[in-house]
Amino acid sequence: EVQLVESGGGLVQPEGSLRLSCAASGFIFSDYYMDWVRQAPGKGLEWVGRIRNKANGISTEYAASVKGRFTISRHDSNNFLYLQMSSLKTEDTAIYYCARVRSSGWDGNYFDYWGQGTLVTVSS
Amino acid sequence: DIQLTQSPSFLSASVGDRVTITCRASQGISSSLAWYQQKPGKAPKLLIYSASTLQSGVPSRFSGSGSGTEFTLTISSLQPEDFATYSCQHYNSYPLTFGGGTKVEIK
Repeated sequence: EVQLVESGGGLVQPEGSLRLSCAASGFIFSDYYMDWVRQAPGKGLEWVGRIRNKANGISTEYAASVKGRFTISRHDSNNFLYLQMSSLKTEDTAIYYCARVRSSGWDGNYFDYWGQGTLVTVSS
Repeated sequence: DIQLTQSPSFLSASVGDRVTITCRASQGISSSLAWYQQKPGKAPKLLIYSASTLQSGVPSRFSGSGSGTEFTLTISSLQPEDFATYSCQHYNSYPLTFGGGTKVEIK
C-alpha cells in the first residue's frame, strides 16, 4: 500500500526557516517524481514544486512564488522527500502535501497519491 | 501561466441529482487535465486523468469530458459521500495549476 506521511510543520516567525519531510513507503520511491502542493486556509490548491527521479537527473522545478526561497530534495536510500523553506512569509501559511507524480512523461504529470498534509503557520 | 477557471464555485444539490462542473483553461491544454475530490480535513483524491479516464476504484457515476480549453466533470447521480470540493488541475506545462475548486453541498 502506497503511503506518504508528512512531518515537520509548525509555527514559525516571518523570515524564519522550516524543513518539512515526507516519508514514502509501499512503492519504489526512487523511480518516481515527487511534488509538493500547498493549500492556504480556505483556499484552493497551489503547486509548489517538483523533484525528478535519478534517471532524469534529480532536477527540480518551482513555482514562481517560492523560487529562490524553497528547496526540494530527496533521499532515495531511505525513501524521504524534503522541502526546505526559508525567508518565510505570512502568505506561505498553508497545509503542505507531498504527492506522487503518476509518471515522468507529460501525459502522467498528475498526482495519484497524496500525504495527509502538515500545517505550516507563519506568524509573529 | 495557464489559468483554470471553475464554475460554479459553489453548488447545492440533492442526493440523486446529476451534477456538472466546468473547468476552463486560459489556453489550450489538449487533454492534460485531472480532477480531484477533497473532503474537509483530508487530502485530495484523484478521480479522473487525461480529461476522461477514470482512476481505478472510482465509481462509474463520475465521468469527465472535454479537450482544449473546456472540460466538464459530471456526477450522474449524486450520493451522500460525494459532497465535497472538486478541483481540476492541468499538466500541460510548468507551472502546474489548479482551478479554484467547486464545493458541492447538500440542498
